[in-house]
Amino acid sequence: GQQLNQSPQSMFIQEGEDVSMNCTSSSIFNTWLWYKQDPGEGPVLLIALYKAGELTSNGRLTAQFGITRKDSFLNISASIPSDVGIYFCAGQGRSFGNEKLTFGTGTRLTIIP
Amino acid sequence: DAGVTQSPTHLIKTRGQQVTLRCSPKSGHDTVSWYQQALGQGPQFIFQYYEEEERQRGNFPDRFSGHQFPNYSSELNVNALLLGDSALYLCASSNGLIRYEQYFGPGTRLTVT
Repeated sequence: GQQLNQSPQSMFIQEGEDVSMNCTSSSIFNTWLWYKQDPGEGPVLLIALYKAGELTSNGRLTAQFGITRKDSFLNISASIPSDVGIYFCAGQGRSFGNEKLTFGTGTRLTIIP
Repeated sequence: DAGVTQSPTHLIKTRGQQVTLRCSPKSGHDTVSWYQQALGQGPQFIFQYYEEEERQRGNFPDRFSGHQFPNYSSELNVNALLLGDSALYLCASSNGLIRYEQYFGPGTRLTVT
């Protein structure tokens, strides 16, 4: 099945550093969502974006909906140990009957002591 | 406010057998989507149920079927299990009349031997 391209695939950072990751698609989406998944658990919704160009924050997390509607970006400021995990982007058509999420390949975040 | 719940947590089946997984949506949600997540990959959309009918389907064979009950809970059935069906099966709920955001349960880990 289709998966969106996420980069980087993995990141090794020190506590306190800022993190940036992005997600690109060949298709247009009307909604972009960012999830975090810990091992053996389900994805947890972090941020939802509904409008091209939109910039939304949730605490230390900031995400942007790309102008072309084919990409999105997630930034984490001042990383802490609980930020460790896998981050997934997901695109959605967001029309009645077309609500499936298409996920990215994931970015694994590791904090080096 | 109870979130999405899934049962069982883990399941081990033999190739050729059939399995049923269960999901209860978040309070106030009427739509249930199922995803398959293979190890190291992002979730892949299987299908979505709304008003007790399959509304959208991903690229999965007919061996995968589902059902939604009047109380909005849902089941995923997989027949003639293959080794490749081993994965984490995730259920997500939403309410399109409010927002299109999907909230995930903890998943069921299916192992086919």
